Amino acid sequence: QQKVQQSPESLIVPEGGMASLNCTSSDRNVDYFWWYRQHSGKSPKMLMSIFSNGEKEEGRFTVHLNKASLHTSLHIRDSQPSDSALYLCAARGNTGNYKYVFGAGTRLKVIA
Amino acid sequence: DAGVTQTPRHEVAEKGQTIILKCEPVSGHNDLFWYRQTKIQGLELLSYFRSKSLMEDGGAFKDRFKAEMLNSSFSTLKIQPTEPKDSAVYLCASRGDNYEQYFGPGTRLTVL
Repeated sequence: QQKVQQSPESLIVPEGGMASLNCTSSDRNVDYFWWYRQHSGKSPKMLMSIFSNGEKEEGRFTVHLNKASLHTSLHIRDSQPSDSALYLCAARGNTGNYKYVFGAGTRLKVIA
Repeated sequence: DAGVTQTPRHEVAEKGQTIILKCEPVSGHNDLFWYRQTKIQGLELLSYFRSKSLMEDGGAFKDRFKAEMLNSSFSTLKIQPTEPKDSAVYLCASRGDNYEQYFGPGTRLTVL
């Protein structure tokens, strides 16, 4: 069973709209969360990270984290067709070897 | 700065063949990861090295998959013997002290 759950599996938003993606870790021994974006045929690229409660904004992208519930969300405002991609969430274990556990991803499609 | 490099980019093998995939991490990174990515299973961890020591060998993948870190700047993943179900994209990633994990472009393997 995936220890990092992402929802929804897929999402369609109109150009200019807001996309909201969710990620929750069922393993409590995690601290950092990363969001990666993977365009079709390409490898995952880092988008944003968060480890403190609250939110972090970079341009059109905002990430929220609730450490108590180990839930993070990524919000993309003014979505563009170029944002269409697979979005992967990763949680870093804070015991042992500090590896990242990746979720299955949310496939976002932005339609013009 | 050079990113993570992987060769070859594409590989076609006959069932039963031995194939070797290569990876050069970002200079100075101590952590190196091998993943397999398919649409159905998503990202699966195959191996994780820290400072050339094997930290995790991906459990279910021990059988025919062997990753080695020959020196701090070169790693190989050997699959022996290959099976059609091994057809996937194999991604190498490296991570530095700031825990930013970078992926290489991947090797697309097709086993006939």
